[in-house]
Amino acid sequence: DTEVTQTPKHLVMGMTNKKSLKCEQHMGHRAMYWYKQKAKKPPELMFVYSYEKLSINESVPSRFSPECPNSSLLNLHLHALQPEDSALYLCASRLHALVVIDGYTFGSGTRLTVV
Amino acid sequence: GQQVMQIPQYQHVQEGEDFTTYCNSSTTLSNIQWYKQRPGGHPVFLIQLVKSGEVKKQKRLTFQFGEAKKNSSLHITATQTTDVGTYFCAAQNAGGTSYGKLTFGQGTILTVHP
Repeated sequence: DTEVTQTPKHLVMGMTNKKSLKCEQHMGHRAMYWYKQKAKKPPELMFVYSYEKLSINESVPSRFSPECPNSSLLNLHLHALQPEDSALYLCASRLHALVVIDGYTFGSGTRLTVV
Repeated sequence: GQQVMQIPQYQHVQEGEDFTTYCNSSTTLSNIQWYKQRPGGHPVFLIQLVKSGEVKKQKRLTFQFGEAKKNSSLHITATQTTDVGTYFCAAQNAGGTSYGKLTFGQGTILTVHP
């Protein structure tokens, strides 16, 4: 298995809703990432998990809450989002965080619309 | 923070023409990676360059890393319609423990006219 699987592919949520994005990989990668991408812009790093521990939080608002239940799963819990949070949310993984020997494997993303 | 400048922002070519995108950094880079994102898709890793002056080829794609490790380029020979998409460079600064954090360039959007 050489893929990162993200669900759902599309999500529309109201500003008072609570939802979760899910990411799964079975490549034995120990570094997992959440990125946010707006149209025609590069991906922006949100969170980094290394060996299931949160290693980097890029000053992301608390309405985004990451969770790494085990080495294969990564969740992003969403609560009280704003319309400007609408974007493509990408999960990525790599073998190790501290040793850059490979590129990211990105999932196909969740296209989020906040109404 | 680290910045990577990528030019051009847009490139329109006729099928069969060549294409080049450039990335520049004011600081020395540990390595540089290149990704391709098709319209409506997600970034796909193409290659990583690590050594000063390194040149790597993948079929019609040629990747270069500058001698000073501050710039890089991607050149596509004889573009095809399948080359359409956004090409991103992504760089990591030398030193530090950034947990694999990469700084992406702004991307070059390539359009190929048949």
